[in-house]
Amino acid sequence: EAQVTQNPRYLITVTGKKLTVTCSQNMNHEYMSWYRQDPGLGLRQIYYSMNVEVTDKGDVPEGYKVSRKEKRNFPLILESPSPNQTSLYFCASSPYSFSNQPQHFGDGTRLSIL
Amino acid sequence: GNSVTQMEGPVTLSEEAFLTINCTYTATGYPSLFWYVQYPGEGLQLLLKATKADDKGSNKGFEATYRKETTSFHLEKGSVQVSDSAVYFCALSNAATGGGADGLTFGKGTHLIIQP
Repeated sequence: EAQVTQNPRYLITVTGKKLTVTCSQNMNHEYMSWYRQDPGLGLRQIYYSMNVEVTDKGDVPEGYKVSRKEKRNFPLILESPSPNQTSLYFCASSPYSFSNQPQHFGDGTRLSIL
Repeated sequence: GNSVTQMEGPVTLSEEAFLTINCTYTATGYPSLFWYVQYPGEGLQLLLKATKADDKGSNKGFEATYRKETTSFHLEKGSVQVSDSAVYFCALSNAATGGGADGLTFGKGTHLIIQP
């Protein structure tokens, strides 16, 4: 089954404790992206990757890092999480970058930073 | 940069009512337009899309027409069901617009509640 898998689905942690949210897709997609969803703000893009070793900032990249060492994986790293990063996070992928292809979304990761 | 504006709701309707959720956008160039739906506890699923002016996207009884002259992509359904209760997001692809990072620009989402 074609899917985007995120882990963990839920995480409660404390300020400053490094965490990684993993994202994996099994569709051989070139393009992957991270979004955060906040009430009243909709979804905003954090980072995206057009292919292996190619990443770039989205609209709200501050406080986040990403890497793309393999085509299927695109982890989101919070080196020193803060309470304003409490949010619902979604990973997405699509076949190609700079395209009009729809994106496939994971089920989301709810992060609470205390 | 690009932007998408949609009614936030909640929008509450009775079963079998007619649904319209308005969506307007600001972008240069020729973005593709999408409607995504999010059911409780789940990720976003593509509902329908349109890639050029006057295209009509349709799926599961929902329709939306790409109107470049009014920069709109309103979502409609003739008879809603309780199972349509969800959050609906209008989005545009930044590709070919030069108006943002490669990816999607989303509206804030419309929470739709259908009562039996």
